[in-house]
Amino acid sequence: DTGVSQDPRHKITKRGQNVTFRCDPISEHNRLYWYRQTLGQGPEFLTYFQNEAQLEKSRLLSDRFSAERPKGSFSTLEIQRTEQGDSAMYLCASSRDQNTGELFFGEGSRLTVL
Amino acid sequence: AQKVTQAQTEISVVEKEDVTLDCVYETRDTTYYLFWYKQPPSGELVFLIRRNSFDEQNEISGRYSWNFQKSTSSFNFTITASQVVDSAVYFCALRMGYSSASKIIFGSGTRLSIRP
Repeated sequence: DTGVSQDPRHKITKRGQNVTFRCDPISEHNRLYWYRQTLGQGPEFLTYFQNEAQLEKSRLLSDRFSAERPKGSFSTLEIQRTEQGDSAMYLCASSRDQNTGELFFGEGSRLTVL
Repeated sequence: AQKVTQAQTEISVVEKEDVTLDCVYETRDTTYYLFWYKQPPSGELVFLIRRNSFDEQNEISGRYSWNFQKSTSSFNFTITASQVVDSAVYFCALRMGYSSASKIIFGSGTRLSIRP
């Protein structure tokens, strides 16, 4: 399978715990995006990498959120001290290195904070 | 500001009917790209089409067609002879062409239900 893969697919955690999600993009894609989607809403942009450089972060991304893409390949999204409001589907997408490129999405990582 | 509005939250039609999903966008950029994505019950967003702001030619792909009108800032999507498998949430999205922000902004989606 050469699509975008995300792990874990589901995560249930207690409030205050830290969680980390991983995304493996399509191998030839330089750009990697994280989005968050809540029930009944469209995906909301969180952050974007071009290779290993994090070029943009949304104001939605509080200081409890951190994303990395250390070698320009896979990426991790960590949420510290989770809150119930963090419950959502976290989507990863990748695209080629061009502004015209469409995004290819993974199946998402669903987070439930109890 | 950039914004995508999908005013239709839910649409339900009987199979074989034609259905149009509306999309209105806002942007100050003169170069931009519009997209439609499908999100079936399985959850993975699937790319359907991309149009750039300089190409207002309508496009048809099988039962799907898209109507792009810059004068009304709309990019509507029509499914002809709908089928049950078309049931999904459909998102319209906007990407600015040459600004530093390369993200795609999504609308809130239209949930389409096709009844047999």
